[in-house]
Amino acid sequence: GQQLNQSPQSMFIQEGEDVSMNCTSSSIFNTWLWYKQDPGEGPVLLIALYKAGELTSNGRLTAQFGITRKDSFLNISASIPSDVGIYFCAGRGNNDMRFGAGTRLTVKP
Amino acid sequence: GAVVSQHPSWVICKSGTSVKIECRSLDFQATTMFWYRQFPKQSLMLMATSNEGSKATYEQGVEKDKFLINHASLTLSTLTVTSAHPEDSSFYICSARVSGWEQFFGPGTRLTVL
Repeated sequence: GQQLNQSPQSMFIQEGEDVSMNCTSSSIFNTWLWYKQDPGEGPVLLIALYKAGELTSNGRLTAQFGITRKDSFLNISASIPSDVGIYFCAGRGNNDMRFGAGTRLTVKP
Repeated sequence: GAVVSQHPSWVICKSGTSVKIECRSLDFQATTMFWYRQFPKQSLMLMATSNEGSKATYEQGVEKDKFLINHASLTLSTLTVTSAHPEDSSFYICSARVSGWEQFFGPGTRLTVL
């Protein structure tokens, strides 16, 4: 089946630094989604990408749908303490949606 | 819009008892809802896809007789963990599909089986 590899697994950064994380797939996806999960809560959709090459921003967040349709990245600029959480990528193939293992972000004030 | 609620938010039960978790779409109708399980520090694992008015589709390795899913209306799906055991302790999250393939998640239910 389709596999999603998300990296890095965890990041420890200083407040104000930029963050980058990515997901790669062994096969093509039609849609890429990025979610954030705060401790003890359900994931919240951050950005949805529908076309290869698409670059979308949501405040300090920017995500891109890779040209090959096998990868996507999420950037967070000027991180703040409330950015702490787990970020998941999700890819939709023809019949299902799969989640990456998550990137756990810690921001030191 | 697109708010999904879950009840209860946490539950502690004795081994051998059954627990029901509700998932509701508050401001939209969801023909499809999903149930996930998440163990500590791990990703979301899809358990089953629930379609209104029909039987749920379970992922490989998920026991349908243990995890009973009912999607009786367009705004409510329930997951019942039958004869719960400590290894069933987990964070259970539902989501609802609004349109296309976007999913909106509930806040999760933490189940602890003693």
